[in-house]
Amino acid sequence: SQQGEEDPQALSIQEGENATMNCSYKTSINNLQWYRQNSGRGLVHLILIRSNEREKHSGRLRVTLDTSKKSSSLLITASRAADTASYFCATDGGFAQKLVFGQGTRLTINP
Amino acid sequence: KAGVTQTPRYLIKTRGQQVTLSCSPISGHRSVSWYQQTPGQGLQFLFEYFSETQRNKGNFPGRFSGRQFSNSRSEMNVSTLELGDSALYLCASSLSLAGGLQFFGPGTRLTVL
Repeated sequence: SQQGEEDPQALSIQEGENATMNCSYKTSINNLQWYRQNSGRGLVHLILIRSNEREKHSGRLRVTLDTSKKSSSLLITASRAADTASYFCATDGGFAQKLVFGQGTRLTINP
Repeated sequence: KAGVTQTPRYLIKTRGQQVTLSCSPISGHRSVSWYQQTPGQGLQFLFEYFSETQRNKGNFPGRFSGRQFSNSRSEMNVSTLELGDSALYLCASSLSLAGGLQFFGPGTRLTVL
């Protein structure tokens, strides 16, 4: 079973708009990671945020982590058509290398 | 460096058969993990190997097994295939067991008829 839940399950926005996806998890973590998956292919690592960090940036990506609420959000600014993909959060659940994934958010960027 | 490679990319089998999937990690990576992805269950952890030893295992039946070789390459085997085993099987490699970045391969799409 999945530890995390992602919200929304699907998101459709216009190119240039910002996209925000949320992730909640159940157990304590060492870190939380976000991945992107294009159309049933492999996962591409986007960003990792450690449990003692609250916010992290990478290019157009901004991730926040609230360990008291056991939640994280991924913000993609100035979206592009190439950002169309499914986005997953994954936690380590305290176990090294055993990632527990949420169900993912399917993001569609309309030109 | 070359990324994680998985072979074959696509596979069609019939119920009752067995299958072996292969994963070559990034050079220098010693940890290999396997995940199953299905529309219903999402991404689920199968098992993880480090230095030829299984370090962690998910909640899958014994029909699912794996191994790792001295060059860190890993194989997973599924015996007595069932229709529900149809999935995308993803392999990920990382430097160590210490947690952190995992790099995923493109996956093997297994279809069981």
